Formats: sequence, C-alpha cells, structure tokens
Amino acid sequence: AQKVTQAQTEISVVEKEDVTLDCVYETRDTTYYLFWYKQPPSGELVFLIRRNSFDEQNEISGRYSWNFQKSTSSFNFTITASQVVDSAVYFCALSEAGSGNTPLVFGKGTRLSVIA
Amino acid sequence: DAGVIQSPRHEVTEMGQEVTLRCKPISGHDYLFWYRQTMMRGLELLIYFNNNVPIDDSGMPEDRFSAKMPNASFSTLKIQPSEPRDSAVYFCASSRSGQGNSYEQYFGPGTRLTVT
Repeated sequence: AQKVTQAQTEISVVEKEDVTLDCVYETRDTTYYLFWYKQPPSGELVFLIRRNSFDEQNEISGRYSWNFQKSTSSFNFTITASQVVDSAVYFCALSEAGSGNTPLVFGKGTRLSVIA
Repeated sequence: DAGVIQSPRHEVTEMGQEVTLRCKPISGHDYLFWYRQTMMRGLELLIYFNNNVPIDDSGMPEDRFSAKMPNASFSTLKIQPSEPRDSAVYFCASSRSGQGNSYEQYFGPGTRLTVT
C-alpha cells in the first residue's frame, strides 16, 4: 500500500527565513510519481511540481526547490526567503505508475505560517 | 483556458436531503477524479473516471454516494440521503492521459458541503 507522511503538522517562520517541508513516502512500485500541492487560505489546491521516480535530479523554480532522494524515500520542499504569501497548507502526494493516470495518495499536509 | 469548474461552491442542507455536486473538467482531459477533504481523514479519493467510465469507486463510502459522468465535460456526485458526517469539502480534479505517465491533476475550487 502507498503512504505519504508529512511529519510536520505546523511550521511558523519569520519572513525571509528559509523553510523546508518534509515528505516521506512508502510504495512497493518501482515506478511512481511524486507531487506537491499548495492550499492557500482561499481553499483551492494549486499544483506545484511533479517528479518521476526515475529522475532524481533536484529542481529549482524561483524561491522553490525540491530535493528527491530515493534512498531515503523522501521528497522535501524548500522555500527560500519566505514571504507572507507563502502561508498555506502544503500537501505532498504520490501516485503509482500504471497503464494510465492513477489517483493521488496525499499526506496530511503541513501548515506553514510566515510572519511579517 | 478555464480550469476545472465546480458548483455549487457552498451547499448547506438538512440531514436526509439529496445533494448533487457538479463538475466540469478541463477541456481535453480524459481523467476525472472526485476527492473529499475532512479534518479527520485529510484528502481521500472517492472515485475516478477515464473516458467517462468509472475505473475505481472503492473510495465511495456507502451506497448513499453515487457518481456519474454522462459525457466528457460533466460529472455529478450525488449523496442521498445526506448525513451530518458527509460534511466536508468535495474536490473534483482532471488530468490528461500520456504514454506511461501519470500527469498532474488540476483541481477545481471545491464544494463546501454542510449537512445539519
């Protein structure tokens, strides 16, 4: 069975600090996909990134970066120089590879509060 | 391009009433997913469709829940009769198929259901 664990329930940082959100996953599949979504206070779910299990290259997009380590089954998300607008709940998710698209298995989410 | 559209955005109903939630996926997407978000259980899959055909409905909690997708641009999730424990945010998401890839799912704004 697939499982995603986000051990940090809530994090609070001061603006401009760097913050890392942890994500650990479990799967028996050799090929799978990892995702991060952002849920701001308005409630919608915003796609941030998708990663294939066979591509361990880290990725940077502006102030966001992701560190994928297959050896530790982790897919951590770092926000550099955090801003108040980054305050949201962040979800890590996993989907298995199949003959088509498969549902997402979500972690419980990490609530990030960035204080001005 | 329009994103995933859900209606209504908010629904308040009394226990025992029928509730119908609606979703219009992104044009060209052939996968449609229904998820439910609660404080206790987080985000969980209810059912998903591919090319209007239900693929996995194992997440549908009870026979009181039913979902249909009569065409590529419309899906409904019906609860009859509704109960207070059905109170949650219901999300619809859509994605496009690819060759061996599980593409990102784009979520609608959600329907916040309150059953009193």
